Amino acid sequence: DAGVTQSPTHLIKTRGQHVTLRCSPISGHKSVSWYQQVLGQGPQFIFQYYEKEERGRGNFPDRFSARQFPNYSSELNVNALLLGDSALYLCASSFRQYGNQPQHFGDGTRLSIL
Amino acid sequence: AQSVTQLGSHVSVSEGALVLLRCNYSSSVPPYLFWYVQYPNQGLQLLLKYTSAATLVKGINGFEAEFKKSETSFHLTKPSAHMSDAAEYFCAVSATNFGNEKLTFGTGTRLTIIP
Repeated sequence: DAGVTQSPTHLIKTRGQHVTLRCSPISGHKSVSWYQQVLGQGPQFIFQYYEKEERGRGNFPDRFSARQFPNYSSELNVNALLLGDSALYLCASSFRQYGNQPQHFGDGTRLSIL
Repeated sequence: AQSVTQLGSHVSVSEGALVLLRCNYSSSVPPYLFWYVQYPNQGLQLLLKYTSAATLVKGINGFEAEFKKSETSFHLTKPSAHMSDAAEYFCAVSATNFGNEKLTFGTGTRLTIIP
């Protein structure tokens, strides 16, 4: 069975640009979460979506936005990119949105800002 | 609010020796606890989870962890280290109350195996 897939795998942008990252969850999973992992740190929660509705938001500025589509895939958008946005962006899916449901991670999109 | 503290950003053990990675948590409600492993240039793979059933949890690749409420700990162990265990390990906590399902991760422990 296919796991969580993310695209693209690598991306290079310059300051001020915007970026869209994409995620396809495991088949049957309805909850998608996004995390940012800066080099040398643990992942930080950005958003959770369940059944196309936002169910949680981390401490990130409004430049970060996301949405979930009817097929449960998701996009993360970041506007006005800053150097500090350079990170590995991870998508995770789970069957439901409850905390005891293990989240399954994709391999991430590595975003580099020049 | 939930948080985890991983003691030791780097741990080195000899091949065949005991692996012990420490994790302490803080949570205002009964927690769910997880250990994930991350290999270079990859995402996170779930090793094991504690969701209020048995306090000793067995996971993949021979790892296990014990939930100790009195010590607010969830340490990860493996009796005999293998070279393939070299990776970054993350402890994570989520809340049991609805609407607060995000994972909060520790800063990670890099495990090095000495041949």
